[in-house]
Amino acid sequence: QKEVEQDPGPLSVPEGAIVSLNCTYSNSAFQYFMWYRQYSRKGPELLMYTYSSGNKEDGRFTAQVDKSSKYISLFIRDSQPSDSATYLCAMSADDYKLSFGAGTTVTVRA
Amino acid sequence: DTAVSQTPKYLVTQMGNDKSIKCEQNLGHDTMYWYKQDSKKFLKIMFSYNNKELIINETVPNRFSPKSPDKAHLNLHINSLELGDSAVYFCASSPWSGEQFFGPGTRLTVL
Repeated sequence: QKEVEQDPGPLSVPEGAIVSLNCTYSNSAFQYFMWYRQYSRKGPELLMYTYSSGNKEDGRFTAQVDKSSKYISLFIRDSQPSDSATYLCAMSADDYKLSFGAGTTVTVRA
Repeated sequence: DTAVSQTPKYLVTQMGNDKSIKCEQNLGHDTMYWYKQDSKKFLKIMFSYNNKELIINETVPNRFSPKSPDKAHLNLHINSLELGDSAVYFCASSPWSGEQFFGPGTRLTVL
């Protein structure tokens, strides 16, 4: 079993829809949770970072962490074609080692 | 611009050759990393240096050798390149053990 499992996708949604991305994890030592966005042929770009259970909002993006269920989510409201990318969840246990999900490719149709 | 930069962006080479990839960060971070992203987009950590000291050394063939001349630079040297080494290699840096910031990647193709 992988340490981090991410819904594989791909996901195709119309412009303006809410995008919901999910990851589960097995390592209870994970305490830092991140979401990265990666455009084709580019490096991963940090979107959201959190270390506690609950919600964190930044503009159209909301990151949700439920440590008791070992489950994290990213919601994108009012999705735009420019949100079309691969989204990667990542987490670490304060040991400098990020464990990544396999990524979900999202396409937002205009 | 403050960033993590890598050179070269593309590297095409023959099997058996030796090549190096360079990384520099001007974010003032203490820790730098090398990741490999395979054709299925899975990102896996290879090495990490904190203040020039190796702190993560994952199960990677010893043909791969990282080197950190100072805390702003981390290079990756690969000996005797094999077809399976073809991938995108990303450098990253972080101020501590949490969030990491990635470079643009080096696309290595071994023929």
